[in-house]
Amino acid sequence: EDQVTQSPEALRLQEGESSSLNCSYTVSGLRGLFWYRQDPGKGPEFLFTLYSAGEEKEKERLKATLTKKESFLHITAPKPEDSATYLCAVQSVRSYIPTFGRGTSLIVHP
Amino acid sequence: NAGVTQTPKFRVLKTGQSMTLLCAQDMNHEYMYWYRQDPGMGLRLIHYSVGEGTTAKGEVPDGYNVSRLKKQNFLLGLESAAPSQTSVYFCASRAGDTQYFGPGTRLTVL
Repeated sequence: EDQVTQSPEALRLQEGESSSLNCSYTVSGLRGLFWYRQDPGKGPEFLFTLYSAGEEKEKERLKATLTKKESFLHITAPKPEDSATYLCAVQSVRSYIPTFGRGTSLIVHP
Repeated sequence: NAGVTQTPKFRVLKTGQSMTLLCAQDMNHEYMYWYRQDPGMGLRLIHYSVGEGTTAKGEVPDGYNVSRLKKQNFLLGLESAAPSQTSVYFCASRAGDTQYFGPGTRLTVL
């Protein structure tokens, strides 16, 4: 059974204070690992897909990295508008269905 | 393109009432999904479809039925609503490895 554990559950940062969110996973044959952003009252919005260990992707202040056991979402010099819940999901090669973690709620104070 | 839309946005039901949630996508995607999201539980898959006329059970299918008569629409039905079905429901469609989520339906069952 595929499993995804995200930590921490909640994170408070000051504007400009860089940090990382963790996504630990177990999957039988990784097809892809996904990061989504979810704003309050809205549906998740796709950020990144990572396919193999060592891969990295960047978008503005966000950078996602992948190892064989975990992924990190690094946030550099965050701004208040980066406040959201960040969801991680994995999909195995044998499934049409991604397994989601419970998310990390990020609040960036000005 | 409107992307993924959901109707209605909010609904309050009494125990035992029935209702149908509508999901529509204009991106010609084959795969569609219904999730529920509860505090502390993350996204849980209810049912999914890999194409017009097909449906399959997800992680938490009990109490729900679905239909995919047209490729662009995926309907989620509650035949006899229960308070345990109070949740936020998200529909998603998929292209490649990316899921596109709708804005959600907030359902309260009294």
